[in-house]
Amino acid sequence: AQKITQTQPGMFVQEKEAVTLDCTYDTSDQSYGLFWYKQPSSGEMIFLIYQGSYDEQNATEGRYSLNFQKARKSANLVISASQLGDSAMYFCAMREGVNNAGNMLTFGGGTRLMVKP
Amino acid sequence: KAGVTQTPRYLIKTRGQQVTLSCSPISGHRSVSWYQQTPGQGLQFLFEYFSETQRNKGNFPGRFSGRQFSNSRSEMNVSTLELGDSALYLCASSLIGGNTIYFGEGSWLTVV
Repeated sequence: AQKITQTQPGMFVQEKEAVTLDCTYDTSDQSYGLFWYKQPSSGEMIFLIYQGSYDEQNATEGRYSLNFQKARKSANLVISASQLGDSAMYFCAMREGVNNAGNMLTFGGGTRLMVKP
Repeated sequence: KAGVTQTPRYLIKTRGQQVTLSCSPISGHRSVSWYQQTPGQGLQFLFEYFSETQRNKGNFPGRFSGRQFSNSRSEMNVSTLELGDSALYLCASSLIGGNTIYFGEGSWLTVV
């Protein structure tokens, strides 16, 4: 079974609007971490936001927030006030067994976001 | 503060050759991991090093190997290159168990 599922291969959003990118995960670990990355066409993976499984508050970083619903095993990324520069691939990733897992990540298939002017 | 640096950025190799890619982590980061990204398989974990020891290894053949030096710099080597090894190879670094894992710009390998 897929450990990280991103069901939206591609999405369009109008500039200045908010957009939600979906991510569901599957793990039997109680301790895990969820990450979102942005990958422009240049290839670099840019870290956006992190949510720990024990974090009670949803993570936020500037225009990025993570809608964490633990019971549903979902960790959706919300980008507010989209900008043209937000056009890129977005990846959701999970690290299981946080205390011992180092930085071994499992990635989803990604969502290509296109921001329309 | 310098980010994760990968060299070379682009390279073309012939089938059967071997290649070595280098990664310099962010200063102070001792955990380094490598990933392969292809259109067909997506992003896949190769291996992770911490304090010169391999901590975790992904499901790749023995042609893929790596090492880490005492200054935390890491190299990965692919021997007997195959066409299917054409990919973007990404290196990431973090503090051990850190909540921010930073990636480099990657090395684009084309095997012809």
